[in-house]
Amino acid sequence: QKEVEQNSGPLSVPEGAIASLNCTYSDRGSQSFFWYRQYSGKSPELIMSIYSNGDKEDGRFTAQLNKASQYVSLLIRDSQPSDSATYLCAVNMGGSYIPTFGRGTSLIVHP
Amino acid sequence: DTGVSQDPRHKITKRGQNVTFRCDPISEHNRLYWYRQTLGQGPEFLTYFQNEAQLEKSRLLSDRFSAERPKGSFSTLEIQRTEQGDSAMYLCASIGSGLYNEQFFGPGTRLTVL
Repeated sequence: QKEVEQNSGPLSVPEGAIASLNCTYSDRGSQSFFWYRQYSGKSPELIMSIYSNGDKEDGRFTAQLNKASQYVSLLIRDSQPSDSATYLCAVNMGGSYIPTFGRGTSLIVHP
Repeated sequence: DTGVSQDPRHKITKRGQNVTFRCDPISEHNRLYWYRQTLGQGPEFLTYFQNEAQLEKSRLLSDRFSAERPKGSFSTLEIQRTEQGDSAMYLCASIGSGLYNEQFFGPGTRLTVL
């Protein structure tokens, strides 16, 4: 069964620190990788997509992809209390048009 | 606001009743997805459309669930004979016709079955 795994957390970091969120996936043929942020009671919001090995930066966010090791991570620099949310990893495995979501990691940024 | 809208935002119903939800995707997006999400879980795929064609349904999807996208624009998801286990957030997402598969979610419909 094709799976996407995330540590459910919560991950607690102080304000201003770097938060590191990790995701592993089971299908070596996966091509598209996404990170969504979801506030409590709200729908997921796309924050990053990555398709090639290496790093992709967008503001305070950096997505890192390592296809050989089958993991994708999200770094949030200068974490703010407003970053407190659940972060969902999604992977389109094997060329499928249907993304598989992980359970999400809860991030708490405390002042 | 992503441009994807869903209606209603909240629905409370009694067990055994039928409910219908609507999703209006971003106008130029040809792919539309339905998901269900329960507390502490990621979105679970239900079905997806490319234009008006329903291309895939989850094997976990009960026969009580049906979805349509009659003109390739808005979509409806109907649940017949609702059960308490159907209580969840129902999410709709759309994707454009480009190379990438970036999904944009609507606000969701929160269903509570009493």
